[in-house]
Amino acid sequence: DGGITQSPKYLFRKEGQNVTLSCEQNLNHDAMYWYRQDPGQGLRLIYYSQIVNDFQKGDIAEGYSVSREKKESFPLTVTSAQKNPTAFYLCASSIDLGLVYEQYFGPGTRLTVT
Amino acid sequence: GQSLEQPSEVTAVEGAIVQINCTYQTSGFYGLSWYQQHDGGAPTFLSYNGLDGLEETGRFSSFLSRSDSYGYLLLQELQMKDSASYFCAVRDQTFNAGKSTFGDGTTLTVKP
Repeated sequence: DGGITQSPKYLFRKEGQNVTLSCEQNLNHDAMYWYRQDPGQGLRLIYYSQIVNDFQKGDIAEGYSVSREKKESFPLTVTSAQKNPTAFYLCASSIDLGLVYEQYFGPGTRLTVT
Repeated sequence: GQSLEQPSEVTAVEGAIVQINCTYQTSGFYGLSWYQQHDGGAPTFLSYNGLDGLEETGRFSSFLSRSDSYGYLLLQELQMKDSASYFCAVRDQTFNAGKSTFGDGTTLTVKP
C-alpha cells in the first residue's frame, strides 16, 4: 500500500536534547512538507522540499532543521533552540496535476518535551 | 502574508446540510483546498478548487470565488461520522505553487 509513514507515534524528550522525527513516503511524490499543529489550531508550515537536495523554510522554521537526501525521506530535527517544541508534527507529500492538487498526510508524531 | 478566516465551531443535526465558509487574504493565490481531521488523526483531503465554481464529490461540495476571495465547503446528508475539524488551505505563489497556508479550522459537531 502506498502512503506516508512517520515514526514514532509518541516521543518524549528532555529539554535541551535534539530529536529527529522520521518521514518516509512511497508515493513517488516530489514535494514533501513538515507541519506543526498545536491544540485547537491549524497547521503551520515548518519546512518544505520540492525536489531532492533542496528545501525551503516555511513560516516557523526557527529551531528546526531538515534534509532531503532521498526522494522518499524527509526527516525533521527539532533542536534545543526550539523554544516550545511540544506539539503534534505532521509530514505530508503532494501531487500536482495542474487543476488537481492534493496533500497526503502521515499519521503524525506527538512530541512531548519536559 | 497570508490569513484565512473560518468559523471556529458549527453544530448541525444528522441528515441536515451545513456550509463552512472560508475567506482569505493572500499575497498570491493558486487554489483553495479543504481537509478533514478527526480528533487525534491526520488531515485527509476532501477537495481542491483551482478555478471558480463548484466542485462536487459525493456528499461534499466546494465552491470558490476568486473575485470575492471566498470559498465554502458544503456537507450534505450529515452523518455522525462527519463530526470532525475542517480546514481550508490556500495554495499560494510566494515561493512556488506547492506551499499551502491553513486556516485554524472549524469544528463540526453533528447531533442525532
